[in-house]
Amino acid sequence: RKEVEQDPGPFNVPEGATVAFNCTYSNSASQSFFWYRQDCRKEPKLLMSVYSSGNEDGRFTAQLNRASQYISLLIRDSKLSDSATYLCVVGTGGFKTIFGAGTRLFVKA
Amino acid sequence: GAGVSQSPRYKVAKRGQDVALRCDPISGHVSLFWYQQALGQGPEFLTYFQNEAQLDKSGLPSDRFFAERPEGSVSTLKIQRTQQEDSAVYLCASSSTLTYGYTFGSGTRLTVV
Repeated sequence: RKEVEQDPGPFNVPEGATVAFNCTYSNSASQSFFWYRQDCRKEPKLLMSVYSSGNEDGRFTAQLNRASQYISLLIRDSKLSDSATYLCVVGTGGFKTIFGAGTRLFVKA
Repeated sequence: GAGVSQSPRYKVAKRGQDVALRCDPISGHVSLFWYQQALGQGPEFLTYFQNEAQLDKSGLPSDRFFAERPEGSVSTLKIQRTQQEDSAVYLCASSSTLTYGYTFGSGTRLTVV
């Protein structure tokens, strides 16, 4: 089993739709959680950190469920510019962070 | 600098050649990471520096891979006797604190032929 698992997708959604991604992690001692966005042939960029209480940034909402060891990302009112690969990232408490393989999202007009 | 700078942007190496990839992190960032990203995969951790100290090199795939950050700023990832399986994008990231995520450079795309 991979340490961080994501559904690779692709998710194809129309503009304005709400879409949600889940990510599961295997190390119960994990302490930090992030979502990154990566556009084709570009570097990953931090989208948001994920806090235990859940957090929201505009159209994006991230949640953490420690008991079930998963994190989620919800995107409301999808825009064409949201099309990208979304990477789930888990920090183990040391220096190493583990990236998932990413979930591809295509938003269509 | 304003961002993490990596050079070269692209590198084509013949199998068996040695290569050196450079990373210039954001000024003042203590933490520096190297990742390897194969096509269609997420970045895989290679190594971590805190200032000039290499605190974790558990992700380096073989002893052909070597990284250094002698003065706690610029870092170099060296790959000796390159093999085709080394072909990937090598990403450098830096951070002022481990808590709030990293800033990545644009990466070096290495192709071994």
